[in-house]
Amino acid sequence: DQQVKQNSPSLSVQEGRISILNCDYTNSMFDYFLWYKKYPAEGPTFLISISSIKDKNEDGRFTVFLNKSAKHLSLHIVPSQPGDSAVYFCAASGTGNQFYFGTGTSLTVIP
Amino acid sequence: GAGVSQSPSNKVTEKGKDVELRCDPISGHTALYWYRQSLGQGLEFLIYFQGNSAPDKSGLPSDRFSAERTGGSVSTLTIQRTQQEDSAVYLCASSLPWGADYGYTFGSGTRLTVV
Repeated sequence: DQQVKQNSPSLSVQEGRISILNCDYTNSMFDYFLWYKKYPAEGPTFLISISSIKDKNEDGRFTVFLNKSAKHLSLHIVPSQPGDSAVYFCAASGTGNQFYFGTGTSLTVIP
Repeated sequence: GAGVSQSPSNKVTEKGKDVELRCDPISGHTALYWYRQSLGQGLEFLIYFQGNSAPDKSGLPSDRFSAERTGGSVSTLTIQRTQQEDSAVYLCASSLPWGADYGYTFGSGTRLTVV
C-alpha cells in the first residue's frame, strides 16, 4: 500500500515559468517531509525539507508547501530552468527509521 | 571519498545465483540505509543500520535478502537464489544520526538484472 503518492508521473513546463509538483500522503503520523531530485544513472540528491510545525519552507527557487489537514505537500520551482529537468521524489517519515517515497514525477523544462 | 560509493554499478546474473552488492558510506555517517527502486515504483525501504544497534530489517521482502555492516562502515546486501522480480536499482544511503535535517546522501545505485 503506497503511503506516499505522486499522481502525476510527468510534467512539462516552459523555461521561466513555475513548476508545481504535488505529493499526497495517507499516514497522519508523518511529520517530516523531503524532496529529492534524481538525474538518470545517479542517486537521488536532497533538495529541500519541511517539518510538520511549518507550512512553508523556501530555499532559493525552491519552495515546499505543506497542508497537514489535506495531507498534501507541493514543491514549487520558480523560475524553472532546463537544468531542473529530472525526476522528483517526495518522501515522508514519522517516528520510524525509514522514509516512505513516492513513485516520482519526471519534470521536463522546455527551453 | 566524499560521497556514498556503491559497487558494482551494474550486475547481470542468472536466476538462482547469489549476488552481493556493496555500499561504502560517507565517513562519519553512522546511519546506513538500503532501498530499491523497481521499474515504475517508488523507492522501497529494505534495511536500516544505526551505529551498533540491531538493524531494522522490516523492509526486507523475503529471507533470501540479508545485509551486514562491518565495523560500522561498509555494508553488503546479499540476495540469495535471485529471482527475476529482484531486478531493480538498489540504492544505498547514509546520514548522520537520526534527526539530522538534511536527509540522506544516496549512492548512484547498483542496477541488478536477473535473467
